[in-house]
Amino acid sequence: SQTIHQWPATLVQPVGSPLSLECTVEGTSNPNLYWYRQAAGRGLQLLFYSVGIGQISSEVPQNLSASRPQDRQFILSSKKLLLSDSGFYLCAWSKPQGRGNTEAFFGQGTRLTVV
Amino acid sequence: AQKITQTQPGMFVQEKEAVTLDCTYDTSDQSYGLFWYKQPSSGEMIFLIYQGSYDEQNATEGRYSLNFQKARKSANLVISASQLGDSAMYFCAMREYGNNRLAFGKGNQVVVIP
Repeated sequence: SQTIHQWPATLVQPVGSPLSLECTVEGTSNPNLYWYRQAAGRGLQLLFYSVGIGQISSEVPQNLSASRPQDRQFILSSKKLLLSDSGFYLCAWSKPQGRGNTEAFFGQGTRLTVV
Repeated sequence: AQKITQTQPGMFVQEKEAVTLDCTYDTSDQSYGLFWYKQPSSGEMIFLIYQGSYDEQNATEGRYSLNFQKARKSANLVISASQLGDSAMYFCAMREYGNNRLAFGKGNQVVVIP
């Protein structure tokens, strides 16, 4: 069966410090991978998604980046965190096929507080 | 890029009653999937129901049903016989199969009261 691991669960970082959040998927190959951010009590903002190794589509963030160094590994990074980067970060994966029920499966999330 | 709209304010629902959560979307893609997720206060994302753009029948999963009106580009979720455990945020999402982008609406807060 497939599983998704996301860590750490919580993180408190000072402004200006770097960030690295890691997400790995097991039990499947060539998944679509997603990073989302959720501000307190708000919706899910799509940050990045990837359909293959080294293929990253960026949605919004200016000081965040993502990488996919391996098929089932997705990393969210920042060189210098801002206060506005605080939030709940969720990683997700879905099967790559074009049609059908390709529901996304989510990790447990990382609650990031920038102080 | 596709857009998903959920505009209802927070809702209070009497236990055992039905509730409808609105979702409209906008896409130029002809092939897409629509999803509803539930997020309780714990933060986990729970998949509820899926509707494909070419599916002629409305999807149903237990107490959840999706009222899909393709021409109006709406995909409303109906929860029948509400339970206290249904209190959560509910998100509508769409995946365009042309590019695999999966985007979510802003969500609806539902509180079920006894």
